[in-house]
Amino acid sequence: DVKVTQSSRYLVKRTGEKVFLECVQDMDHENMFWYRQDPGLGLRLIYFSYDVKMKEKGDIPEGYSVSREKKERFSLILESASTNQTSMYLCASRSSGSGNTIYFGEGSWLTVV
Amino acid sequence: EDQVTQSPEALRLQEGESSSLNCSYTVSGLRGLFWYRQDPGKGPEFLFTLYSAGEEKEKERLKATLTKKESFLHITAPKPEDSATYLCAAGNAGNMLTFGGGTRLMVKP
Repeated sequence: DVKVTQSSRYLVKRTGEKVFLECVQDMDHENMFWYRQDPGLGLRLIYFSYDVKMKEKGDIPEGYSVSREKKERFSLILESASTNQTSMYLCASRSSGSGNTIYFGEGSWLTVV
Repeated sequence: EDQVTQSPEALRLQEGESSSLNCSYTVSGLRGLFWYRQDPGKGPEFLFTLYSAGEEKEKERLKATLTKKESFLHITAPKPEDSATYLCAAGNAGNMLTFGGGTRLMVKP
């Protein structure tokens, strides 16, 4: 079974704090993704990575950055957290190639106060 | 622009009452139509991938079908444990996914 593990399920941070969300996959997948999910807005792509040290902006990259130093690990960074970044964050991975399935982690609930 | 629309937004069924969820899509060069189940507070769990019109896949009480414009998730004799939000997503020629807004299914005993 594919396993995508997000290290923190629930976090509460203060406005202005730097936040790291970590994600690890165990299937040797080349592609990794970070989404956020908000009621009424659905799933929105923040950043993705096709391979180690590569990153591409998604639909809503503002206020976020990412790091992919190792193939199995993809980190989402909020440089200075703001209340409008309170959300459910979902990491996902997929093997490269057209039409392959994306597998999701359990999600990280972030509240910024 | 790629678009995926799911209907209805919410569906209430009695246990045993079969129904279908719809996913209409417009994408440039479909490279897969994906169905996921999402329980409250959890990440989406993969159910099915369909690649070409006419294809069908089944798992327990669920069956997914695909045409050139839409996909259906048929639920036969649902049970309360089938209650969840069902998401569909379409992959395009650039291998990017567009997600629908989801259908929240509630099955009452």
